[in-house]
Amino acid sequence: GAVVSQHPSRVICKSGTSVKIECRSLDFQATTMFWYRQFPKQSLMLMATSNEGSKATYEQGVEKDKFLINHASLTLSTLTVTSAHPEDSSFYICSARQGALSEAFFGQGTRLTVV
Amino acid sequence: AQSVAQPEDQVNVAEGNPLTVKCTYSVSGNPYLFWYVQYPNRGLQFLLKYITGDNLVKGSYGFEAEFNKSQTSFHLKKPSALVSDSALYFCAVRDDNFNKFYFGSGTKLNVKP
Repeated sequence: GAVVSQHPSRVICKSGTSVKIECRSLDFQATTMFWYRQFPKQSLMLMATSNEGSKATYEQGVEKDKFLINHASLTLSTLTVTSAHPEDSSFYICSARQGALSEAFFGQGTRLTVV
Repeated sequence: AQSVAQPEDQVNVAEGNPLTVKCTYSVSGNPYLFWYVQYPNRGLQFLLKYITGDNLVKGSYGFEAEFNKSQTSFHLKKPSALVSDSALYFCAVRDDNFNKFYFGSGTKLNVKP
């Protein structure tokens, strides 16, 4: 299947700093990328959907100024957690979709810890 | 609105026995259904999907799922479980109108030797 690479896999940052997470589709062009947040022992919570070249669509309750999403090319989307706080600590997962009938392929996730 | 329900938080099965992980769905149009598996601290891996065609879908690692329209179910099955199958399994439905995937709450599968 298609490969989605997410980097970094683990990051620890100080409160008040910003963190950027990259999501790349390695062997296909992703028309749509999704960003999820997963709390321990819970399902995935969709944060936003991004289409290449256009602004991301955020889910209700997700602060767009807090979680900046950029989908600059068909193979790269980034999520920047700005002014991170301990409550932003979580497992963030990206996924990418190739076309209309395609399943979503997932990155390996990023464990963010804000201290 | 689209939704997915996984009624079991956890399923326990002995190695070598058949396993079933249940999923029911609610969609307003044609159902596009998926199963994913997640190992600890990892992203989700695609197992199989139902878009159209045969109701029995075969996927990775010997898993299969049966689409049942009348019961609005898409249960995941495997004839003989392995200890290495122990993981978290998610059922998902895709909403093409809003270009989103909706995930169930997940079912933890424990396969004991």
